[in-house]
Amino acid sequence: NAGVTQTPKFRILKIGQSMTLQCTQDMNHNYMYWYRQDPGMGLKLIYYSVGAGITDKGEVPNGYNVSRSTTEDFPLRLELAAPSQTSVYFCASSSRWSEKLFFGSGTQLSVL
Amino acid sequence: AQKITQTQPGMFVQEKEAVTLDCTYDTSDPSYGLFWYKQPSSGEMIFLIYQGSYDQQNATEGRYSLNFQKARKSANLVISASQLGDSAMYFCAIRTGNTPLVFGKGTRLSVIA
Repeated sequence: NAGVTQTPKFRILKIGQSMTLQCTQDMNHNYMYWYRQDPGMGLKLIYYSVGAGITDKGEVPNGYNVSRSTTEDFPLRLELAAPSQTSVYFCASSSRWSEKLFFGSGTQLSVL
Repeated sequence: AQKITQTQPGMFVQEKEAVTLDCTYDTSDPSYGLFWYKQPSSGEMIFLIYQGSYDQQNATEGRYSLNFQKARKSANLVISASQLGDSAMYFCAIRTGNTPLVFGKGTRLSVIA
């Protein structure tokens, strides 16, 4: 069981570059989420999805975009990377709204 | 809006002792769930325990128990018989009927031999 898989694990971007963080889950979960964790802080919600074709903004969506074309995949797109986007990004999924979240191992992103 | 407050940035506990990590929450939704996650230095998020707002009894999972006091809006995590491997960041989080999981800032627990 792979669970939630994120790629890449580490990435360094230059200011203004773009990239896509990949997230895929093999548990057939309808609900998927992207969080970011700044050093010494808790997790903040960027975007979430309740099913294929449906996405919604979280607390800190500016500078990011998402899409959900399949149940399995929920990529996060960074356009015009900025130093403020330096963070650890976690993708997560759950089978129901009320159930616990299963997390990926995270992507450590530095924007220099 | 939902909010989680964890007032203890860091805690120390002697090995084999019990420790309580504080969590208070704020929500106007009568239906909600409270979660605790552990984040070791390796970075992964590990689910520990869950308490629903309508659950009559406090949740327990092995050495973890949740001291749920609804009137005081608190959901403290109790770890019994601490082990060195319990050293980690601990996050309290709340989910309501229409809001995904909202996390607190966490408490760093250090277990001393």
